[in-house]
Amino acid sequence: NAGVTQTPKFQVLKTGQSMTLQCAQDMNHNSMYWYRQDPGMGLRLIYYSASEGTTDKGEVPNGYNVSRLNKREFSLRLESAAPSQTSVYFCASSRTGGAFFGQGTRLTVV
Amino acid sequence: AQSVTQPDIHITVSEGASLELRCNYSYGATPYLFWYVQSPGQGLQLLLKYFSGDTLVQGIKGFEAEFKRSQSSFNLRKPSVHWSDAAEYFCAVGSSNSGYALNFGKGTSLLVTP
Repeated sequence: NAGVTQTPKFQVLKTGQSMTLQCAQDMNHNSMYWYRQDPGMGLRLIYYSASEGTTDKGEVPNGYNVSRLNKREFSLRLESAAPSQTSVYFCASSRTGGAFFGQGTRLTVV
Repeated sequence: AQSVTQPDIHITVSEGASLELRCNYSYGATPYLFWYVQSPGQGLQLLLKYFSGDTLVQGIKGFEAEFKRSQSSFNLRKPSVHWSDAAEYFCAVGSSNSGYALNFGKGTSLLVTP
């Protein structure tokens, strides 16, 4: 039972490069989320998708875009990476509360 | 807007001693409340959750938490801490609005000494 799977696990980007973080869940959950985690800041919500076909901004959406490809998959795109986007990114999913998290993607922008 | 405060950034406890991690929330209605644990380099694992009903909830790994509406608190407790409990602990609040997205506190780092 894989749960929530994120790829890649590590990535180094140069400023201005673009990339997409992939996330897939196999628990048939309706809701999916992208968070970023920075030291001393806890986890902050970037975007969420309450159901297939819908996406909404969270607390820190600037510089990011998302796509809810289907019920299983929710991707996060950085169009032009900036050093301020260096962080650990977590994808999560839930049905009615109590989210399950992936193992995270550690992204460094140089 | 909902928010969560974890007043203690770091806590040090001796192995075998009891533990209480504090969490205060701000939310207009009855919130959904959660505690998560994160070991270094790992994702977050759900310890327990409160939606309604009995205000004392039991979780995994011997943890429990008590919802106190009058104090807007949801403190996490464990009677006897093990060295393997050393980790980062996050309190979170959610609602059926915004697709049950969670709003996290900034975390409490637990150090367990021999």
